[in-house]
Amino acid sequence: EIVLTQSPGTLSLSPGERATLSCRASQSINSNSLAWYQQKPGQAPRLLFYDTSIRATGIPDRFSGSGSGTDFTLTISRLEPEDLAVFYCQHYGNSITFGGGTKVEI
Amino acid sequence: EVRLVESGGGLVKPGGSLRLSCAASGFTFSSAWMSWVRQAPGKGLEWVGLIKSKAYGETKDYAAPVKGRFTFSRDDSKTTLYLQMDSLKTEDTAVYYCIHGSGWYDHWGQGTLVTVSS
Repeated sequence: EIVLTQSPGTLSLSPGERATLSCRASQSINSNSLAWYQQKPGQAPRLLFYDTSIRATGIPDRFSGSGSGTDFTLTISRLEPEDLAVFYCQHYGNSITFGGGTKVEI
Repeated sequence: EVRLVESGGGLVKPGGSLRLSCAASGFTFSSAWMSWVRQAPGKGLEWVGLIKSKAYGETKDYAAPVKGRFTFSRDDSKTTLYLQMDSLKTEDTAVYYCIHGSGWYDHWGQGTLVTVSS
């Protein structure tokens, strides 16, 4: 089973700043089968990206996903107040695992 | 529009049972692979398992912590997914989400809270 480690645990930034969230896998994810989700307080998670960098429907282009192998990144180019949330990465290969999450405070 | 509505959550004592339902609409349920994910209060997301469509034998895959205690089923005529939870433990306390899909998850229900406590 692939273990996903997200860092930092909490990211405190101001509106307009750039946020860089990391997701590191315990072994290489060869097929780039990695997704990102945003979970706002009191809501179900929302899919942001799948296959590492394919943006889901309705996701603004200030969000971007990148990476390969064991290191993956979610970038928010210009933070907006509504981006306050916890962000999770997920691997969906032979097994499904989630990272522990990164909380973005604004 | 894909819609998933979970129900059946509540308070149950350790060792007890509970059955969750997930009413689905907006897609061809009979051909869909469906998944369950849970989230303990204040914690992260945990995969519970999936059930494949009838065409794939309704094969089920369970996460280790729930294997042997939880059972997935589906009624394609009612477009409803079920999660039978037996021998519940306090660590099963969580919001349970029903999800359309088996890889990345683009449609989630609103979740239903299961609390296991004496």
